[in-house]
Amino acid sequence: QKEVEQNSGPLSVPEGAIASLNCTYSDRVSQSFFWYRQYSGKSPELIMSIYSNGDKEDGRFTAQLNKASQYVSLLIRDSQPSDSATYLCAVNRNSGNTPLVFGKGTRLSVIA
Amino acid sequence: DAGITQSPRHKVTETGTPVTLRCHQTENHRYMYWYRQDPGHGLRLIHYSYGVKDTDKGEVSDGYSVSRSKTEDFLLTLESATSSQTSVYFCAISPTLMGDEFFGPGTRLTVL
Repeated sequence: QKEVEQNSGPLSVPEGAIASLNCTYSDRVSQSFFWYRQYSGKSPELIMSIYSNGDKEDGRFTAQLNKASQYVSLLIRDSQPSDSATYLCAVNRNSGNTPLVFGKGTRLSVIA
Repeated sequence: DAGITQSPRHKVTETGTPVTLRCHQTENHRYMYWYRQDPGHGLRLIHYSYGVKDTDKGEVSDGYSVSRSKTEDFLLTLESATSSQTSVYFCAISPTLMGDEFFGPGTRLTVL
């Protein structure tokens, strides 16, 4: 089982809709969870972090964490064409004693 | 990418030649990382450093070595480049291992 799994996509949503990106992880002791956005030909950039069960909102972005189900998601409300990118889920294992493990990413396409 | 640079940004080399990639930071962060990114594989950690002269292996370290003689510089060396090492290489920095990694602009390496 892969440590961090994401659907590769592409996930296509119409402009103005909610995009839902999902990620599962295998290590139950994982403590910290991150979402990175990567535009084509560019480097990843950190957009959200979440450490506790529940929701965390930042503008149009909401990260959701369910440690019991080992599941983290990213919701993008009012999706814009500029949100079209690959979204990488990353997990920090072992209470922060080891580097991040990244999923392969989900490619999001927002159609105008 | 403020505070972190990579050089060169593009390089074409031949099989069997040595190659060194440089990562330079101005943030004085303790942790530095080298990743490679390939289609279908996502971001994979090659090596990381947790201080001057302190390094450890990542997921795909075979064929690569690193050195960190100063806080601000982290070098990645391919002793004898192979075509399988054709990839985009990203350097990242962070103040802790908790996940807030910031990425450099990347180096596209082609080994012919």
